[in-house]
Amino acid sequence: EAGVAQSPRYKIIEKRQSVAFWCNPISGHATLYWYQQILGQGPKLLIQFQNNGVVDDSQLPKDRFSAERLKGVDSTLKIQPAKLEDSAVYLCASSYGEASGTQYFGPGTRLLVL
Amino acid sequence: QQPVQSPQAVILREGEDAVINCSSSKALYSVHWYRQKHGEAPVFLMILLKGGEQKGHEKISASFNEKKQQSSLYLTASQLSYSGTYFCGTEMNSGYALNFGKGTSLLVTP
Repeated sequence: EAGVAQSPRYKIIEKRQSVAFWCNPISGHATLYWYQQILGQGPKLLIQFQNNGVVDDSQLPKDRFSAERLKGVDSTLKIQPAKLEDSAVYLCASSYGEASGTQYFGPGTRLLVL
Repeated sequence: QQPVQSPQAVILREGEDAVINCSSSKALYSVHWYRQKHGEAPVFLMILLKGGEQKGHEKISASFNEKKQQSSLYLTASQLSYSGTYFCGTEMNSGYALNFGKGTSLLVTP
């Protein structure tokens, strides 16, 4: 079974530029999560999708971050404009259903904002 | 509400045991444990649902004390491959996203 795919793996941009990350969850997984992991800390949820609907985006900085999950499969996370403090690893995870289930993480995208 | 993990870091010799704790001030529905190696994605270890059950995974097991809202991860006869950062993720209700702790860094030396 293929795992969660993410691209790109690494991205370096200058502040005020925009960037987009892509995630393809495990086939059949209804729930998709985007997390931000700053060096030395645990992952912090940015947004949770159930199929193509948003379940929780309370911690998403909506003035600069946006995410979508069209057709309930793959998802994109965008930052526009980027700030220095956005430097982090962006992890995508998916789980099978809406109940407490194992979350499978992708390899992440390492973003460095200069 | 971010759970509190302790200790922050542990150094073990191969074959020694360790316990990592995860505490919450709020009532929990479940606790999830993950291990993350440097530069890699977190890897799922186990889920504990409220009810005080204990689970095992090879020589790694965990318990969940519902009264104390605390979970403990037990690593017995540690192996070099156990090195990494261990995170607990807590879930307040079924279907909610996880709140992760800051992690416990574990280093197993020969």
